[in-house]
Amino acid sequence: AQSVTQLGSHVSVSEGALVLLRCNYSSSVPPYLFWYVQYPNQGLQLLLKYTSAATLVKGINGFEAEFKKSETSFHLTKPSAHMRDAAEYFCAVIQAHGGSNYKLTFGKGTLLTVNP
Amino acid sequence: DTAVSQTPKYLVTQMGNDKSIKCEQNLGHDTMYWYKQDSKKFLKIMFSYNNKELIINETVPNRFSPKSPDKAHLNLHINSLELGDSAVYFCASSQEAEVPYNEQFFGPGTRLTVL
Repeated sequence: AQSVTQLGSHVSVSEGALVLLRCNYSSSVPPYLFWYVQYPNQGLQLLLKYTSAATLVKGINGFEAEFKKSETSFHLTKPSAHMRDAAEYFCAVIQAHGGSNYKLTFGKGTLLTVNP
Repeated sequence: DTAVSQTPKYLVTQMGNDKSIKCEQNLGHDTMYWYKQDSKKFLKIMFSYNNKELIINETVPNRFSPKSPDKAHLNLHINSLELGDSAVYFCASSQEAEVPYNEQFFGPGTRLTVL
């Protein structure tokens, strides 16, 4: 079964600093991986996804993630944090659920706080 | 226009009551989902429907009964509410459940508090 582990439940950075949110996956088959963001009191929004087309994936709001098979990682980065990036970030993997159905399995989330 | 909408946004009720949460999507998607997010922000799928047919049921207690009257709607009815049902419930939708990397679009959530 596929799963993801997010290292660090809380990451705090200063405005303008590099953002690095860590995600490692466990999968016996090539995975499809996602990063979603949840702003306070809102639903989740897709930041980016890895579908095996390219290992470096660019997403919205200046975020990107690199798929590294050798490290089983899919870490999310942004060169310069902005106050509006403060949110909960979820890494997720697609898992087959019988036949041709699939379900998203989420990591436990990482809360990003940005200090002025 | 709101893509995935849920009503109500907040729901406060007593233990033992029965309540429903409604979800509608105007994206023309075939597949809809219910997720539960607990107090620690852990998000887990509960149900998935494709073209009104149940395709995923994640060992949720049978007090929870989803109903999909048409492709655009997926409602969640909960009987005999318990304290442990307190959570935020998210509805989501996507195209073509058979395509594993399709984006899921989430509603704003319904915060259920059971007293």
